[in-house]
Amino acid sequence: QQQVKQSPQSLIVQKGGISIINCAYENTAFDYFPWYQQFPGKGPALLIAIRPDVSEKKEGRFTISFNKSAKQFSLHIMDSQPGDSATYFCAATYEGYGNKLVFGAGTILRVKS
Amino acid sequence: DADVTQTPRNRITKTGKRIMLECSQTKGHDRMYWYRQDPGLGLRLIYYSFDVKDINKGEISDGYSVSRQAQAKFSLSLESAIPNQTALYFCATSDMGMGNQPQHFGDGTRLSIL
Repeated sequence: QQQVKQSPQSLIVQKGGISIINCAYENTAFDYFPWYQQFPGKGPALLIAIRPDVSEKKEGRFTISFNKSAKQFSLHIMDSQPGDSATYFCAATYEGYGNKLVFGAGTILRVKS
Repeated sequence: DADVTQTPRNRITKTGKRIMLECSQTKGHDRMYWYRQDPGLGLRLIYYSFDVKDINKGEISDGYSVSRQAQAKFSLSLESAIPNQTALYFCATSDMGMGNQPQHFGDGTRLSIL
């Protein structure tokens, strides 16, 4: 019940296209859903996060869409650029879980120029 | 994140050896975490610590131990390394503020056990 399922495992998108990565969870106690971006040789870094009281959050070209009833959330990268090529992890946690994150398996994104 | 430093960055060792991975941070955060990353499995929590006297097991603590020497230092030990502990290891920190706080990761230690 603590799992977060992420898909696809890998994704190739043309420059300027939209990249979409999906995640699903079971534990309805989760109340914070961050996305982390990881470049080769580096640690993950927080990209954007959402709480379930809103259905969408946008920061620049990055948007999280959240569907509470379906227990799903997704990351959309608009106008994808080669510099966005990285591994993306969704995660979840809840107040009272000690800020511990449950991560998805990760998606390797490659943006072709 | 240069504020979270992991040493060594790479390590190759043999089965049965004891290994220590070190993490130090200058962010002044109370909370520290150790994760391992495996392809197709994401990051899994090994141990976490909310202050020097508070250490807790995570999802996959078997075969590992930790020591919180100071607020800024958190080390991970493999008592007797085995090949399936070959992985990328990350240390992370977070603040103790209200609500959910972002975690800040080091650049990892790539560990290979032969």
